[in-house]
Amino acid sequence: GENVEQHPSTLSVQEGDSAVIKCTYSDSASNYFPWYKQELGKGPQLIIDIRSNVGEKKDQRIAVTLNKTAKHFSLHITETQPEDSAVYFCAAGSNFGNEKLTFGTGTRLTIIP
Amino acid sequence: SQTIHQWPATLVQPVGSPLSLECTVEGTSNPNLYWYRQAAGRGLQLLFYSVGIGQISSEVPQNLSASRPQDRQFILSSKKLLLSDSGFYLCAWSTGGEQYFGPGTRLTVT
Repeated sequence: GENVEQHPSTLSVQEGDSAVIKCTYSDSASNYFPWYKQELGKGPQLIIDIRSNVGEKKDQRIAVTLNKTAKHFSLHITETQPEDSAVYFCAAGSNFGNEKLTFGTGTRLTIIP
Repeated sequence: SQTIHQWPATLVQPVGSPLSLECTVEGTSNPNLYWYRQAAGRGLQLLFYSVGIGQISSEVPQNLSASRPQDRQFILSSKKLLLSDSGFYLCAWSTGGEQYFGPGTRLTVT
């Protein structure tokens, strides 16, 4: 089955700086890679995703890159703000059939004012 | 627009008692449905998923079960809770691969 590794487990950055979280996956059949933000006591929120036919996708301060050959994808947050503090999860899976996702272990991001 | 509801929001149950958690989705038809468990400070463990009414697949052998009596209703149950069943239970729905999570139920088994 699919295996997703996520690094780092914790990350602290100064407000205004950039943050990068990296994930690797094992199953070359995976074609869908979402990122989730989870605030304390809440369910994960889908913030951005990328499909295997695209190498990069951007939404305002958030971007995701995908390297299919190396089987890794990354989340980039620029101009970080205190409200970006949360736990971020990457995932890998398919966008057809049972659409199961395998999640990384999460990154706790802290923005230092 | 689509919305997903879970209840109750919090639950404290003694060991050996039964459990029933409910999840309903509005604004979509024939979604895939999922139950996850998240231990404190940990990642997401997929427990069950369903691609249609009455179709349940189990990912982890345990004392929990799931049912899907209606297209947009997903229920997680147990006959006898264990201490290890404590955690944050999340329901999710998907279409086209995108999964959306509910607000979760915090279960504490005492």
